[in-house]
Amino acid sequence: EDQVTQSPEALRLQEGESSSLNCSYTVSGLRGLFWYRQDPGKGPEFLFTLYSAGEEKEKERLKATLTKKESFLHITAPKPEDSATYLCAVVNSGNTPLVFGKGTRLSVIA
Amino acid sequence: GAVVSQHPSRVICKSGTSVKIECRSLDFQATTMFWYRQFPKQSLMLMATSNEGSKATYEQGVEKDKFLINHASLTLSTLTVTSAHPEDSSFYICSARAGVGGETQYFGPGTRLLVL
Repeated sequence: EDQVTQSPEALRLQEGESSSLNCSYTVSGLRGLFWYRQDPGKGPEFLFTLYSAGEEKEKERLKATLTKKESFLHITAPKPEDSATYLCAVVNSGNTPLVFGKGTRLSVIA
Repeated sequence: GAVVSQHPSRVICKSGTSVKIECRSLDFQATTMFWYRQFPKQSLMLMATSNEGSKATYEQGVEKDKFLINHASLTLSTLTVTSAHPEDSSFYICSARAGVGGETQYFGPGTRLLVL
């Protein structure tokens, strides 16, 4: 059974304090690993798709990396507007629906 | 990026009535659509998967006669909550996956349902 575990559950940062969120996964043939951002009362917003170990993608202050067992979402010099829940999910080779982790609630304090 | 819309964004109804929620992919054709439910401070729970023109596949524990899903076109899916009760109050989110081979799911903004 495909599984995704995210840590930490919650993270509080000062503005400008860089950090990383972790996503560990087990999947029967990884087709893709996804990062989403979800604000309260809204649907998840797509950030990145990673397909193979060693791949990296960047968007503004966010950088996602992938190994064979885990993915990291690095946040550089975060701002208060980066506060949200960040969700990690995987799709297996059967292209079944996303399997989500429980998310990391990030709070960035000015 | 791909855009998915939902309507309505929030709805309040009386117990025993039915509520329909629409999900549309605005700039791509969605061969597969998904419906999720989310309780406060919890992750998304998949309710069902629907492929255009086919019957929906429901997850274990989801009543297919209560949550009716129709995916009649490549850009529209509907979820009807029949005979709604207060315990059906939740945040419902749809997502859509583009054509053959596509694996990225794009999500709608969600619908807040409150059953009185």
